[in-house]
Amino acid sequence: EAGVVQSPRYKIIEKKQPVAFWCNPISGHNTLYWYLQNLGQGPELLIRYENEEAVDDSQLPKDRFSAERLKGVDSTLKIQPAELGDSAVYLCASSLTTGGEQYFGPGTRLTVT
Amino acid sequence: GQNIDQPTEMTATEGAIVQINCTYQTSGFNGLFWYQQHAGEAPTFLSYNVLDGLEEKGRFSSFLSRSKGYSYLLLKELQMKDSASYLCAVRDLRNSGYALNFGKGTSLLVTP
Repeated sequence: EAGVVQSPRYKIIEKKQPVAFWCNPISGHNTLYWYLQNLGQGPELLIRYENEEAVDDSQLPKDRFSAERLKGVDSTLKIQPAELGDSAVYLCASSLTTGGEQYFGPGTRLTVT
Repeated sequence: GQNIDQPTEMTATEGAIVQINCTYQTSGFNGLFWYQQHAGEAPTFLSYNVLDGLEEKGRFSSFLSRSKGYSYLLLKELQMKDSASYLCAVRDLRNSGYALNFGKGTSLLVTP
């Protein structure tokens, strides 16, 4: 069974540029999470989807961050414009059901210069 | 994870036993998870506790005391490949729903 797939694995952009990350969860997993992980820290939730509905986006900086999961399967997280402080690893995770074990993807390491 | 505390670093010898502690504060506790994360890789699930007591899974065991807000991860017969960061995460339904609140992680170094 394929795990959570994320792309790209690495991205380097200049500040003020836009960037997008893509995540394909494990087949059949209804719940999808986007986390941000800074160096030496644990992951922090940005947004949680139940199917195509964003049910928890309280930690998403909505002035520059947006996300979508149009068909309830794969998801895109966008930053526009990026700032230096956005440099981090962006992790996607999925679970079969709400509250189920979360499986993480390899993450996208973003560097903003 | 400001309410989740775990040591920053630990060092142990190959073949030994190491215990990584985690303390937490929540108002809507709904489970504690331990994840392993090798550098540059995704966190992988190790264990889950929701009731008090010890859960054993091979070389790894996890303990929970809800009244004390305390858990530990016990790693036996340490191997070099166990060198990684170990993340304690708590689910707090009242404050953050089904998302996991992670601690900062404990970086474990296993030496020969």
